[in-house]
Amino acid sequence: ETGVTQTPRHLVMGMTNKKSLKCEQHLGHNAMYWYKQSAKKPLELMFVYNFKEQTENNSVPSRFSPECPNSSHLFLHLHTLQPEDSALYLCASSQDRGVGTGGGWNEKLFFGSGTQLSVL
Amino acid sequence: EDKVVQSPLSLVVHEGDTVTLNCSYEVTNFRSLLWYKQEKKAPTFLFMLTSSGIEKKSGRLSSILDKKELFSILNITATQTGDSAVYLCASQGGKSMRFGAGTRLTVKP
Repeated sequence: ETGVTQTPRHLVMGMTNKKSLKCEQHLGHNAMYWYKQSAKKPLELMFVYNFKEQTENNSVPSRFSPECPNSSHLFLHLHTLQPEDSALYLCASSQDRGVGTGGGWNEKLFFGSGTQLSVL
Repeated sequence: EDKVVQSPLSLVVHEGDTVTLNCSYEVTNFRSLLWYKQEKKAPTFLFMLTSSGIEKKSGRLSSILDKKELFSILNITATQTGDSAVYLCASQGGKSMRFGAGTRLTVKP
């Protein structure tokens, strides 16, 4: 148990559906992340939130919409997805992203177990 | 563009063997290199390396960083079936953490 919980564990959706992935961390961290892991590809960073503010969006299509209501919760809202969006979606948290330190931080990420998403 | 390359992509060994996994990186403003183990879904943290030549060790696992040659290795001695997993290498630099594609290790009884 890493202290980061993701639900649901599995999700099958059609291209016209709207669904949401949920992530909750119990570690007292201030930074949260969404990663996409496709088969045989490196983990791809999607979004970063630091102290509830979005600090990075890695050119993610607008059919993925993140929401971070507080430092412990992170959502990924999905709509009109494509079959190529099928992947494992991992949430992670870290202490913080070194606000005000000029980027000189080292992040040790704690990952959830992921949501295995299949888009039909 | 920053990149992290792991080799081999997959490896099959027998229990008791020693394995070495490789990670090379090209990252702007390098700060650290991390190793994770991914058994089923959630990657779990193994090591963070920031200085060259200093070995980090945890049980049968050890890792070292060479900042001159831009690579790191992860060694596992006396492998067990429970070591079967995907091992991920990630490098931190600038504002980003970049992951390699991973090495899938299979340890047979």
